[in-house]
Amino acid sequence: DVQLVQSGAEVKKPGESLKISCKGSGYTFTNYWIGWVRQMPGKGLEWMGSIYPGDSDTRYSPSFQGQVTISADKSITTAYLQWSSLKASDTAMYYCARLVTAIDYWGQGSLVTVSS
Amino acid sequence: DIQMTQSPSSLSASVGDRVTITCRASQAIRNDLGWYQQKPGKAPKRLIYAASSLQSGVPSRFSGSGSGTEFTLTISSLQPEDFATYYCLQHNSYPWTFGQGTKVEIK
Repeated sequence: DVQLVQSGAEVKKPGESLKISCKGSGYTFTNYWIGWVRQMPGKGLEWMGSIYPGDSDTRYSPSFQGQVTISADKSITTAYLQWSSLKASDTAMYYCARLVTAIDYWGQGSLVTVSS
Repeated sequence: DIQMTQSPSSLSASVGDRVTITCRASQAIRNDLGWYQQKPGKAPKRLIYAASSLQSGVPSRFSGSGSGTEFTLTISSLQPEDFATYYCLQHNSYPWTFGQGTKVEIK
């Protein structure tokens, strides 16, 4: 079975760094793009960007370019989303997803709370 | 960026009603569109891919149609478990973009 298992909830202060993870299993990790989607509290879904773990080709939405970094370690079939300096406005649920004809599988979500 | 305009933003309906949700793309996207259902506190779930193909395991009361710039998701007979928020997603060109969502509530 295809599974994407994300890291747990995080509570951080503004200015701190953070890296959340998404471990893929049940399929050939290097053959499929992985995307990241943000959902702010009570709001809709926003496309952040994606990575092809086979060669680390990465695409960012202009809204998130320079704000986050997407990476992957194919040796441990894990993709990452990281921030160097969090803001309160980064408080949201973040989903990773496998990209096949749009999105076919989703992770369970990682809740990030940024508060002083 | 391709803008996806989804309507309505919310609707109230009764069990058994036929419900239609629309997404309009700001430029032609062929049939590169999926529909997703999200229930509170849960990850979204795919219902439809390639505009009109039913995801395996999804009830046949869900259907999708359209191509180019206009797309619809239809629920032929609304069931209690269908009360949720629905999103379209275009994957024709980067950045991929979601519609704003349609919340389907009980009348």
